[in-house]
Amino acid sequence: QVQLVQSGAEVKKPGASVKVSCKASGYTFIAYYMHWVRQAPGQGLEWMGWINPNSGGTNFAQKFQGRVTMTRDTSISTAYMELSGLRSDDTAVYYCARDTPQPDDWGQGTLVTVSS
Amino acid sequence: DIQMTQSPSSLSASVGDRVTITCRASQTIHSYLNWYQQKPGKAPKLLIFAASTLQSGVPSRFSGSGSGTDFTLTISSLQPEDFATYYCLQTYSTSWTFGQGTKMEIK
Repeated sequence: QVQLVQSGAEVKKPGASVKVSCKASGYTFIAYYMHWVRQAPGQGLEWMGWINPNSGGTNFAQKFQGRVTMTRDTSISTAYMELSGLRSDDTAVYYCARDTPQPDDWGQGTLVTVSS
Repeated sequence: DIQMTQSPSSLSASVGDRVTITCRASQTIHSYLNWYQQKPGKAPKLLIFAASTLQSGVPSRFSGSGSGTDFTLTISSLQPEDFATYYCLQTYSTSWTFGQGTKMEIK
């Protein structure tokens, strides 16, 4: 079965960067785009962008342009999302989600806390 | 970018009630509309995809309708386990957009 397993919780100081991983299994990794979505405490879901694992091409929400990088390592079927210049309002749970006609494959979420 | 306007933002209802949540897109998204349920501390769970297709394993009391710009999620008879937050998601554009969410609370 399809599984997306994300890296563990992180605590970062303002201005730092964080890199979250999403290891895929149960399907052909390069065949499906991977999206990243975040959710601040008590808030709604916010789409951040996607990576095409086959080509490495990316597309980001305008809000995150210049601060987010999405990469992948096809040898280990893992996608990465790196967010730089962290601020307190970047405190959120970050999810990866596989792009299919019925997008129901999500990682378990990674809590990133930004605090001085 | 496509904007999704979801209403209401919160809803107080009783077990057995019929409830409806709506999402409106800022431009046509044809039927590229999904509905999710989210419970605290959990990833979203897909209920409906392609506007009206019930995801496997989802109870039949959930239904979706609409196309173009206006969509609805209906729960025909609320059950205790349905009290959660619901989101719509458009996937017509490769830049996804979520609705703001509807928090369903027990009256």
